[in-house]
Amino acid sequence: DAGVIQSPRHEVTEMGQEVTLRCKPISGHNSLFWYRQTMMRGLELLIYFNNNVPIDDSGMPEDRFSAKMPNASFSTLKIQPSEPRDSAVYFCATLAGSARGELFFGEGSRLTVL
Amino acid sequence: EDQVTQSPEALRLQEGESSSLNCSYTVSGLRGLFWYRQDPGKGPEFLFTLYSAGEEKEKERLKATLTKKESFLHITAPKPEDSATYLCAVQGAPSSASKIIFGSGTRLSIRP
Repeated sequence: DAGVIQSPRHEVTEMGQEVTLRCKPISGHNSLFWYRQTMMRGLELLIYFNNNVPIDDSGMPEDRFSAKMPNASFSTLKIQPSEPRDSAVYFCATLAGSARGELFFGEGSRLTVL
Repeated sequence: EDQVTQSPEALRLQEGESSSLNCSYTVSGLRGLFWYRQDPGKGPEFLFTLYSAGEEKEKERLKATLTKKESFLHITAPKPEDSATYLCAVQGAPSSASKIIFGSGTRLSIRP
């Protein structure tokens, strides 16, 4: 298995632009988590899905952020409009239903908003 | 609200010098406490799951222990390749669909 695949690996954009981050989970993993990592705040949980259904989005900073999981093979995290304070590494991680806590992380998407 | 606090923020050791990292947690109904390792530019990599107080897990030079309020990651005779950020995370009740939250991590540096 190729593991969790995220794209793009790096994105540089200007303030006000729309950003879309993508994640392909490991086949058969039924839970998907989006995290954001910064030096100041560490690894923050933004939203997670179980069987493609959003369970808890209380970590999403504001209405500019949205996430979808249209099927078991794909998820997106969208920021519109982007702001400099959104600059961070965004990780997608997945979990097999039977495995407590063993998250498999992607390589992350490093976002820089100028 | 579930919370995870790790200390120290950073730790520098000489090769062979053993030490421990601390993870204090507050969670409603602990389903599991987890340790991860993160190398620069990479996503975190799973190390251990601990389920109940008194449990211990070992892997090479690492041993994780759990009490009702905290967990320790003991590093015995570390080597430079053990240098990384170590993250602690918890998952609360009620099910495997519960969220997993992380502490801010301890950056460990081992000098040759």
